[in-house]
Amino acid sequence: DGGITQSPKYLFRKEGQNVTLSCEQNLNHDAMYWYRQDPGQGLRLIYYSQIVNDFQKGDIAEGYSVSREKKESFPLTVTSAQKNPTAFYLCASSISTSGPGTQYFGPGTRLTVL
Amino acid sequence: AQSVTQLGSHVSVSEGALVLLRCNYSSSVPPYLFWYVQYPNQGLQLLLKYTSAATLVKGINGFEAEFKKSETSFHLTKPSAHMSDAAEYFCAVILPRGYQKVTFGTGTKLQVIP
Repeated sequence: DGGITQSPKYLFRKEGQNVTLSCEQNLNHDAMYWYRQDPGQGLRLIYYSQIVNDFQKGDIAEGYSVSREKKESFPLTVTSAQKNPTAFYLCASSISTSGPGTQYFGPGTRLTVL
Repeated sequence: AQSVTQLGSHVSVSEGALVLLRCNYSSSVPPYLFWYVQYPNQGLQLLLKYTSAATLVKGINGFEAEFKKSETSFHLTKPSAHMSDAAEYFCAVILPRGYQKVTFGTGTKLQVIP
């Protein structure tokens, strides 16, 4: 089955630690996205990538980093510089970043800072 | 720039009653519009999308939405609510020119009362 997988489902981090969230897709999509979801705030874009080895900051990129070394993978690192990282993180992909392309979402990772 | 407003963060309906979730948008040109559904602790799933073809769009699970340019609205409806419809619903907008960021509304939680 084609789709997007995210791991882990739940992640706990101590203050000062960097953590990496995994996102893999086998849909052969060029574009991938990371969103942060907080209650009552909808989805906010962290980073997006239109093609391998290229990515751009979204609205709330501070304290996060990404890489896109392979078409199917787009890991997100939450660094110690992110002051309030507790949230639900969603990865998505689409055929391209232009046009009415549907975004397909993974099941999400819930990150909690202890 | 575009924006989307969802009226009502929580909506309750009785099982079998009409579901109406409101979405109004603002954009400089006719946009593409989407409705997504999210079940607890899961990713988002596309319900339907408007891409400038028919103004009445039918989606999955019996949902439909009508694009009304004069009212800048894209309300989601379902004639008869089912218990399984209880979820959070997000309206989203994107401009149809090149890469444009998808903007999500803040979501409406639908409660279905038996």
